[in-house]
Amino acid sequence: GQNIDQPTEMTATEGAIVQINCTYQTSGFNGLFWYQQHAGEAPTFLSYNVLDGLEEKGRFSSFLSRSKGYSYLLLKELQMKDSASYLCAVRGHTDKLIFGTGTRLQVFP
Amino acid sequence: GAVVSQHPSRVICKSGTSVKIECRSLDFQATTMFWYRQFPKQSLMLMATSNEGSKATYEQGVEKDKFLINHASLTLSTLTVTSAHPEDSSFYICSARDRTGAFSGNTIYFGEGSWLTVV
Repeated sequence: GQNIDQPTEMTATEGAIVQINCTYQTSGFNGLFWYQQHAGEAPTFLSYNVLDGLEEKGRFSSFLSRSKGYSYLLLKELQMKDSASYLCAVRGHTDKLIFGTGTRLQVFP
Repeated sequence: GAVVSQHPSRVICKSGTSVKIECRSLDFQATTMFWYRQFPKQSLMLMATSNEGSKATYEQGVEKDKFLINHASLTLSTLTVTSAHPEDSSFYICSARDRTGAFSGNTIYFGEGSWLTVV
């Protein structure tokens, strides 16, 4: 089977740093995505990792370890607008994406 | 840039009726599109892969006779929820990949999503 697990909910304080983890066991792997999604809206692309290591993009960074089936999304200098759901998704041998359970992040002042 | 458009954004239908949702790629051709369903406070669940000119491929547990998918052109896929029931009420969203250039993380595009409420 395919399993992609994330913590269900996280809370953090404005200005802080938060790390959202994602572990996966899938039948194929051609990269891992992170998306941000606000309720009732389409997901917004944040990052894509296909090789091991850290990809930094402004306040957001994403890390991948293929041997461990593990990724994390790091959000720095948290802002209130970062309150959203964060979804990791694995791309298999085709272009279809299998999504993780999603993490709802609440940022407090 | 490339955009995927969905219509309608919201629809209410009566139990037992059918409703069609369209997914269009606006400035690129998409031989493959994907349909997802999302229940409140849950993640996106892949329902099926829509293949232009051939039958859709459904994920395990998704009823192909209930969720009819047609991909008649390179820019349009439709999802028809037949004999809708209240438990089909959900957020349906499609995606497509722009294969014009090399693959990168931002060449998979999502539609705006469609809220279906069955009463």
